[in-house]
Amino acid sequence: QVQLQESGPGLVKPSETLSLTCAVSGYSISSGFHWGWIRQPPRKGLEWIGSIHHSGSTNHNPSLKSRVTISVDTSKNHFSLKLSSVTAADTAVYYCARVLTNTVDYWGQGTLVTVSA
Amino acid sequence: QTVVTQEPSLTVSPGGAVTLTCASSTGTVTSGYFPNWFQQKPGQAPRPLIYSTSNKHSWTPARFSGSLLGGKAALTLSGVQPEDEADYYCLLYYAGGRLVFGGGTKLTVL
Repeated sequence: QVQLQESGPGLVKPSETLSLTCAVSGYSISSGFHWGWIRQPPRKGLEWIGSIHHSGSTNHNPSLKSRVTISVDTSKNHFSLKLSSVTAADTAVYYCARVLTNTVDYWGQGTLVTVSA
Repeated sequence: QTVVTQEPSLTVSPGGAVTLTCASSTGTVTSGYFPNWFQQKPGQAPRPLIYSTSNKHSWTPARFSGSLLGGKAALTLSGVQPEDEADYYCLLYYAGGRLVFGGGTKLTVL
């Protein structure tokens, strides 16, 4: 069974860079598909951040693209998110997920990242 | 900026039926947008229910069905159960591998 687990700091200072990693088990990232990040601010809806293929090709939400870096490490079977110049508006639960051509089928449990001094 | 619109809230009686819709600011939603539906309960990650308009995941209860209706994607719940009370999100795929979620519908079973 495919499982995803987010990890990273739960508190980030304003203007700094948020960094999260998603460990994948039960499936090899090298086997295919895209791997993505989605976030949800408190009491708000879901927002797609972007995704990466094991080859390294990426897709991004245009509204976040200039601040987002998504990378993949197939040797560790994990992928990562970096979001620069964060503000309080970036406070959210961040989910990682497997992104197919027609669905997002497996999700991590999510991790809350708070941006605060 | 592309906007995907859902009803903010709906109420349904136990045993009843309800349809949630998902519209795109770019125009008619077709199967080419691969409409997806997710259910989210408080404190939980979204759970996939429907993909590619009407296909169910192996874990999706039979009372959930997806379709295209009047230029929108639609999710219909028939024989609603109390445990169906949740937030529901649609997801559409756009050109260039871009995904956009709807704002969500809060479904109350009352």
